Amino acid sequence: SQQGEEDPQALSIQEGENATMNCSYKTSINNLQWYRQNSGRGLVHLILIRSNEREKHSGRLRVTLDTSKKSSSLLITASRAADTASYFCATDARTGTASKLTFGTGTRLQVTL
Amino acid sequence: KAGVTQTPRYLIKTRGQQVTLSCSPISGHRSVSWYQQTPGQGLQFLFEYFSETQRNKGNFPGRFSGRQFSNSRSEMNVSTLELGDSALYLCASSPEWASYEQYFGPGTRLTVT
Repeated sequence: SQQGEEDPQALSIQEGENATMNCSYKTSINNLQWYRQNSGRGLVHLILIRSNEREKHSGRLRVTLDTSKKSSSLLITASRAADTASYFCATDARTGTASKLTFGTGTRLQVTL
Repeated sequence: KAGVTQTPRYLIKTRGQQVTLSCSPISGHRSVSWYQQTPGQGLQFLFEYFSETQRNKGNFPGRFSGRQFSNSRSEMNVSTLELGDSALYLCASSPEWASYEQYFGPGTRLTVT
């Protein structure tokens, strides 16, 4: 089952605009990660935010985490056509020595010229 | 360092057959995880191997199995293929815990006819 639900499912913006996508999850987490996937290919890790962090930046990416609301958001500023991809949040569901990431449903971002 | 490699990239099999997919992790990475991605179910965790031991397993039937070799290379096997097994199978490696940053391969696209 999916731990994370992402909103919106799809987003279309023009180049230069900002894109915001949200992720909600259900259980306590150790960390939350965002990944990008270009059409039908492997995922690329974007950023990891730990449960004791509230905000993190990486280049044009800004991630926030609100553990009280069990939600996170990914902001891409000044978007480019090359940002067109699907974006997934993933939560760390590590218990004891077992570890795995549980992925959300994804947001499809389309950036047009 | 070379990235995660998966072979084959594309595969067409018939219902009832079995298939073996291979994954070579990044050099030095000891954790290998497998995921199934379909349009309907999204990204679902199959299993994780660490030092030749299965450390965690998702909710998939026993037809799905895997193993890891001493050089950290991993294989997954699906027996008695069903149409619903058609999917993109992704392998990811990480240095230690799978719940930290993962590096994904390009995937194997399996089509079952």
